[in-house]
Amino acid sequence: DAGVTQSPTHLIKTRGQQVTLRCSPKSGHDTVSWYQQALGQGPQFIFQYYEEEERQRGNFPDRFSGHQFPNYSSELNVNALLLGDSALYLCASSSTGGLFNSPLHFGNGTRLTVT
Amino acid sequence: AQRVTQPEKLLSVFKGAPVELKCNYSYSGSPELFWYVQYSRQRLQLLLRHISRESIKGFTADLNKGETSFHLKKPFAQEEDSAMYYCALSSNAGNNRKLIWGLGTSLAVNP
Repeated sequence: DAGVTQSPTHLIKTRGQQVTLRCSPKSGHDTVSWYQQALGQGPQFIFQYYEEEERQRGNFPDRFSGHQFPNYSSELNVNALLLGDSALYLCASSSTGGLFNSPLHFGNGTRLTVT
Repeated sequence: AQRVTQPEKLLSVFKGAPVELKCNYSYSGSPELFWYVQYSRQRLQLLLRHISRESIKGFTADLNKGETSFHLKKPFAQEEDSAMYYCALSSNAGNNRKLIWGLGTSLAVNP
């Protein structure tokens, strides 16, 4: 079992561009959450997908959007990138059916740098 | 407001000394609390959760509802315990479901 896999590992973009990050959940998991972790900060919840729908959302603007596919994999899209979007983006999967009471399994993250 | 506070950004102890990483929370309902750990060059992973009431790698954490705390303790720290530790609170109330994270405490265990 490969666990949660994320791609790419690193990405450099320019302000105003758009970016797509990808995540494959751990085998048997049906729920995917995305987090943004700025340097020196704890993870900040972006949103959660279950049954191909966004179920919960944190305090992030509409520039942040996502998708979940029938195979449970997920994408995070960020439009009109800002310098402040530079961070480590973490994907976490679980088999919670949309709840938050089961442990999360994290990927290694995608390091996004916006210049 | 729902909040998780880890008052210490950095905690440095010597090998063999007791260690306590503090976590306080603010939550009106019945919380579920977790400790996650990130070792150097490894992914974030679950260390323990309060409902399991188990000891993992010698660490324990007891939920104290009176003091709204979930401190992580280990009687004798080891060098391999050096890592970043995050306390998190699960909110599953109605439509307001989320996992709230503390800012983390970096534990350094010195030889």
